Formats: sequence, structure tokens, C-alpha cells
Amino acid sequence: ETGVTQTPRHLVMGMTNKKSLKCEQHLGHNAMYWYKQSAKKPLELMFVYSLEERVENNSVPSRFSPECPNSSHLFLHLHTLQPEDSALYLCASSQDGGTEAFFGQGTRLTVV
Amino acid sequence: LAKTTQPISMDSYEGQEVNITCSHNNIATNDYITWYQQFPSQGPRFIIQGYKTKVTNEVASLFIPADRKSSTLSLPRVSLSDTAVYYCLVGSEYGNKLVFGAGTILRVKS
Repeated sequence: ETGVTQTPRHLVMGMTNKKSLKCEQHLGHNAMYWYKQSAKKPLELMFVYSLEERVENNSVPSRFSPECPNSSHLFLHLHTLQPEDSALYLCASSQDGGTEAFFGQGTRLTVV
Repeated sequence: LAKTTQPISMDSYEGQEVNITCSHNNIATNDYITWYQQFPSQGPRFIIQGYKTKVTNEVASLFIPADRKSSTLSLPRVSLSDTAVYYCLVGSEYGNKLVFGAGTILRVKS
């Protein structure tokens, strides 16, 4: 248990569905991150919320939409995904964007 | 984050000491060096962090030379369960994007 909880752990969705991934951290951190990790590939940083500022990777398609209602919760809204979006989605948090980050267990997403 | 370079993979046997080196020639004065471990289908786990000289915890040791342009993660007496990907990151105390490189795949054999 790292103090970062992701739900659901597994998700199968069709290409026309809309779903959301949830992340919650109980560490009092003020920076949160979404990563995508495809099979046997490095972690790809998707979005960062740090000190109430959102930073995004410009290569992330608009079918992924993040939401950070407060410093403890982070969502990733998904719509009209493609099969190549199937991957492990990881959430992380840190204090002030420092390099000591804590990761959740991830959501294994399969798009059919 | 400063750019880092690590070996793509390493092989070892159970009981051996494993040293993984990371190069970070452009490290800034206020940068720290952080190492993570990742098992398949799990998120990375923070292992150790240091600024200079040597840091040791219950899991590993981190050796940083005086010029800080490289660092070495040392895993004593590895076991099969240490098979994982190890990442080196360099960044300051705040405001980092936390971009991970490819890491080093460590395979421990019996």
C-alpha cells in the first residue's frame, strides 16, 4: 500500500464507451500525475497537476481528458478510445513536484 | 529533469551484488538523484534518493562521486525477486515533470 489508490484495477471498454479512471492519494501531496505504459514500453507521462497548474504532454490525444477537483483526487475521463489505447494507466503523487513520487497499482485498460 | 543514461539490461545470479550505474552529465546544483524499481504490471516504487556521497537504506545503497555526474545503485545479495526494471531520475525538490527513461532491466537468475 503506497497511499495512492486507483480504481478500477481492470477495465474493458468498447470504442464507443465513456469511462473514467479514478486516483486518490492519502499522503497530503499537492502534485499528481497520469502515466500510460504500453506493453514492454517505457512510462509515458500524460498529464501533471502541480501547484494547481496543469501541464500536459502535447502528444496525448483529446480522447483523454484529466480532471483534478482537489489535491487528493485525480480522474482520467476516457471517450471513443482506440485499441492502441489499451495499456496500464498509472497515477502518482509527490510533494511540490519533487522526484520522490508514490505510484498507485494502476488500471489495466483493454479497449475492444 | 537532467537527461540520464543507463544500461538497457543486466544479468546477475542470486546472492551477487549488483551495481547499476546512471550517467547524468548535466545535473544541476540543486538536483537530487532518485532511483525507482518497477515490477511487471505494477507502478514504480521509490527505492532511494541522494544528493552526494553515499546513502544507504534497508533496500539499497546509492553512491555518488564528488562531481555528481554519475551515480551507482548497489543492490546487495540479489534474489530472484529483485528481477525488475530500475529507473534513475535526476531533478530538483519541486516542479518536476517526472519523465522516466527506458530504465535498466535487471534479470536475476538462479
